[in-house]
Amino acid sequence: GDSVTQMEGPVTLSEEAFLTINCTYTATGYPSLFWYVQYPGEGLQLLLKATKADDKGSNKGFEATYRKETTSFHLEKGSVQVSDSAVYFCALSGGDYKLSFGAGTTVTVRA
Amino acid sequence: ETGVTQSPTHLIKTRGQQVTLRCSSQSGHNTVSWYQQALGQGPQFIFQYYREEENGRGNFPPRFSGLQFPNYSSELNVNALELDDSALYLCASSLALNEKLFFGSGTQLSVL
Repeated sequence: GDSVTQMEGPVTLSEEAFLTINCTYTATGYPSLFWYVQYPGEGLQLLLKATKADDKGSNKGFEATYRKETTSFHLEKGSVQVSDSAVYFCALSGGDYKLSFGAGTTVTVRA
Repeated sequence: ETGVTQSPTHLIKTRGQQVTLRCSSQSGHNTVSWYQQALGQGPQFIFQYYREEENGRGNFPPRFSGLQFPNYSSELNVNALELDDSALYLCASSLALNEKLFFGSGTQLSVL
């Protein structure tokens, strides 16, 4: 079945550092790929998505490129802020009704 | 603020009891999905309702059941609670099938 494997955390960074969170997937067909973010005390929010190979999703300075050849969708941000501290989830949808999530990566950014 | 509200925010039950969790979808959304998020894990899909009918189900036993009402609000019912049912339960609504999901903040269920 469909599954997502993402980099284990926690990840601790200083402000303005570069962030990468690795995500790889296993799926039949051509899934859509997502990154969700969960801030403390809040629900999941869609951060960005890509629906086909070589698409780049971007939002709030975050980017991720759908790489079919390596079945990856790594999340990157060039200069993190304290407000980026959250749990980040990689997810996929195989075109049916459900999302399959990774285990999440906790990111803490220190001033 | 997504407009999806869940109640209660926290709940404590004992093993063997039954629980009902509620979700009010964002206005105009006819599709609702429920997810279980155990501590330190990603959300796991429980089931989805579309226009009051179950549209898909994940790998959860029948003691997990749901309802969607004509106003598109929804309930998740869990019978014969087990310790492993302790988790954050998330509701998500969407404008239609395969559209963007809007998540509520969840109900934290503790089973003792």
